[in-house]
Amino acid sequence: DVKVTQSSRYLVKRTGEKVFLECVQDMDHENMFWYRQDPGLGLRLIYFSYDVKMKEKGDIPEGYSVSREKKERFSLILESASTNQTSMYLCASNLLRGYEQYFGPGTRLTVT
Amino acid sequence: AQSVTQPDIHITVSEGASLELRCNYSYGATPYLFWYVQSPGQGLQLLLKYFSGDTLVQGIKGFEAEFKRSQSSFNLRKPSVHWSDAAEYFCAVGAQGGKLIFGQGTELSVKP
Repeated sequence: DVKVTQSSRYLVKRTGEKVFLECVQDMDHENMFWYRQDPGLGLRLIYFSYDVKMKEKGDIPEGYSVSREKKERFSLILESASTNQTSMYLCASNLLRGYEQYFGPGTRLTVT
Repeated sequence: AQSVTQPDIHITVSEGASLELRCNYSYGATPYLFWYVQSPGQGLQLLLKYFSGDTLVQGIKGFEAEFKRSQSSFNLRKPSVHWSDAAEYFCAVGAQGGKLIFGQGTELSVKP
């Protein structure tokens, strides 16, 4: 079975802190994705990566950056957390030419 | 541009009743279509997918969906709902590069 894991299920941070969200997949997938989920807005793509050190902006990249140093790991970075970044963050992965995405359990981030 | 619309934000059905969740998409070519389910506090799980062929697709947990090109729809159905089906349901269409475009989601409540 494909497994996508995220480093934390719940996280509470203060405004201005630097926040790292980690995602690891074990199926050798080329593509990895970071989404933000808010009520009534569905899933919005923040960034995605199609290879090591390669990344592309999604629909809402402002305030976020990403890092992919190894194929299995994709990190989302909030350089200076703000209260409007309080949300559920979901990581996913799939094959380079595949569409079915496999999701991690999510990280619920609260910024106070 | 591709888009997905789920017209119903919240639906309540009685246990044992039938269910239909609506999904409309906008896409130029033959779409790759998906339904995902998200239980409270969890990541997304794939229910079913349509790539080509038979327009009625069967998924897990007794769900099915029908692709209707003329109506640009991919509605999800289940003949008899169980209390454990209470969750949020997302419809998605495949986009370039293995990305998915998600609808806003439909929250399903089940009355005993």
